[in-house]
Amino acid sequence: GAVVSQHPSWVICKSGTSVKIECRSLDFQATTMFWYRQFPKQSLMLMATSNEGSKATYEQGVEKDKFLINHASLTLSTLTVTSAHPEDSSFYICSSRHPNTEAFFGQGTRLTVV
Amino acid sequence: KQEVTQIPAALSVPEGENLVLNCSFTDSAIYNLQWFRQDPGKGLTSLLLIQSSQREQTSGRLNASLDKSSGRSTLYIAASQPGDSATYLCAVRQGAAGNKLTFGGGTRVLVKP
Repeated sequence: GAVVSQHPSWVICKSGTSVKIECRSLDFQATTMFWYRQFPKQSLMLMATSNEGSKATYEQGVEKDKFLINHASLTLSTLTVTSAHPEDSSFYICSSRHPNTEAFFGQGTRLTVV
Repeated sequence: KQEVTQIPAALSVPEGENLVLNCSFTDSAIYNLQWFRQDPGKGLTSLLLIQSSQREQTSGRLNASLDKSSGRSTLYIAASQPGDSATYLCAVRQGAAGNKLTFGGGTRVLVKP
């Protein structure tokens, strides 16, 4: 299957700092990428849809100023958690949609805010 | 609003038994349905993609069926192995290729040696 690379796989940061997570589509160009958040033992919650060259579309209840998304190229989308707090600690996963509409996911990023 | 349900939430079987995982959805106007596997602390691995016009897809020991009119999909895993232990998620894409996925809650599978 196609490869979506997410980096870093885990990160620990101090409260109040910002953290950037990268998601790269290695095998195909992706005009659309998706960012999810997953709580322990729960399914994925869509946070936002990242569109290349335009503003991201955020799901209801997700703060766009808190979770900044940039999709500057057809192979790279970034999620920046700004002024992180302990409640932002979670597992974040990105997804890229192949032209055949199959979804491929990154390895996930475990964020811990202390 | 589309809702996706997976039953059972957890399943434990001895090695060698066949696994049957169920996924149901409330709105039959789907574009496609995809099954994923997730290991603890990892991302999702795509297993099978079934387009709305298809009835089933097969890959090795895996077979997934789709009955769009009744809003159901079933994932069969033949001759289970301990390495099949993971959480299995189904997701539907609604209506059009550009639409987002709606996920079920997942089924946690444990295959005992």
